[in-house]
Amino acid sequence: EVQLQQSGAELGKPGTSVKLSCKVSGYNIRNTYMHWVNQRPGKGLEWIGRIDPANGNTIYAEKFKSKATLTADTSSNTAYMQLSQLKSDDTAIYFCAMRNWDYWGQGVMVTVSS
Amino acid sequence: DIVMTQGVLPNPVPSGESASITCRSSKSLVYKDGKTYLNWFLQRPGQSPQLLTYWMSTRASGVSDRFSGSGSGTYFTLKISRVRAEDAGVYYCQQVREYPRTFGGGTKLELK
Repeated sequence: EVQLQQSGAELGKPGTSVKLSCKVSGYNIRNTYMHWVNQRPGKGLEWIGRIDPANGNTIYAEKFKSKATLTADTSSNTAYMQLSQLKSDDTAIYFCAMRNWDYWGQGVMVTVSS
Repeated sequence: DIVMTQGVLPNPVPSGESASITCRSSKSLVYKDGKTYLNWFLQRPGQSPQLLTYWMSTRASGVSDRFSGSGSGTYFTLKISRVRAEDAGVYYCQQVREYPRTFGGGTKLELK
């Protein structure tokens, strides 16, 4: 069974960084792209970017190019997203998704507050 | 960027009736291979989105045949037949024709 297990909720102060993880079981992440999506409270889905874990190649939405950094560790079958210079409007649920969007993590809430 | 625009449903929808959700893209989603790169998702309250259809009309694994996708290059419809309580939630269309991937704003389905 394919599962994506995301790390726990994060509370970050403005100006700091957080690093989220998405650990995959039942499937080799080398064989898929990993996408990241956010959802602000009460709002819709927004694509952040994707990584090809096989070679580390990344593509980002323009607005996230200086906000998010996607990485992957194929030895642990885990994808990561670091969010830097946190601001209040980074408060959102963040999802990882793979295999042509057929598999999603459970989402992780990131709250930015002083 | 390709802009995705979704319609609104006249909620609530009586259980057992059909519902059609519309989505329009600012650019054709037909690729040179002839496929239309449009996904539909359902997000139930408190859950992650679930892929319903891809390539505009191909149902994802395990998805009920009550869900059917159709459309042209820029105008798409997701039809839900015999609506049930478990179909309630927000439906999103998404283009995967080019980067950046973009989603529609969502269409809420409520049941009577």
